[in-house]
Amino acid sequence: QVQLVQSGAEMKRPGASVKVSCKASGYTFTSYGISWVRQAPGQGLEWMGWISVYNGNTNYAQNLQGRVTMTTDTSTSTAYMELRSLRSDDTAVYYCARADISMITFGGVVVPRLNWFDPWGQGTLVTVSS
Amino acid sequence: QSVLTQPPSVSAAPGQKVTISCSGSSSNIEHNYVSWYQQVPGTAPKPLIYENNKRPSGIPDRFSGSKSGTSATLGITGLQTADEADYYCGTWDTSLSTGVFGGGTKLTVL
Repeated sequence: QVQLVQSGAEMKRPGASVKVSCKASGYTFTSYGISWVRQAPGQGLEWMGWISVYNGNTNYAQNLQGRVTMTTDTSTSTAYMELRSLRSDDTAVYYCARADISMITFGGVVVPRLNWFDPWGQGTLVTVSS
Repeated sequence: QSVLTQPPSVSAAPGQKVTISCSGSSSNIEHNYVSWYQQVPGTAPKPLIYENNKRPSGIPDRFSGSKSGTSATLGITGLQTADEADYYCGTWDTSLSTGVFGGGTKLTVL
């Protein structure tokens, strides 16, 4: 079955970096994107960005630009999300999700659009504390 | 502040029907697909509806989705206590080139 399995919980000091992995199975890895979504304690879902597994193109949420990097390793069907310069408000559960993609025309340019997310990984708790 | 607006909470009795609204704008809901996710506390979100009104395999027809203009609605009929969860709408924002979610709605089955 289609499945995403994430790496285990992490505890980091402020200013450190964390890299979370997401191993996919049960489908053709390069045919979908991978999106990352986080959820702070007691809060809602926050979209962080996505990566096209096909060509490696990425798109990040504006508030994370410069601190986040998403990559994939197609040889192992694994996606990675690295977040740097960690702060206490980065404490959250981080989810990867397979992203269904379609191409649309916007402003005369053909661009990708994410349609929905299925399945989701089990989540990785990242705690940032001194 | 979420880009998409949902009511913080809704409630209804077992067996009844409930609807959850999701309000957005012309740059997101109006011209893109809406999806809905159910999240039981402590677990990962689970898709209920995709492409506005389609159900993934295994999702009962008690769950339905609709969209009109800049708003979308999730409907749940025949409420069960197992339906108690948080529900999120999501879509793409073409102007921002980002995914966006609603703030979530907590469903209580009284």
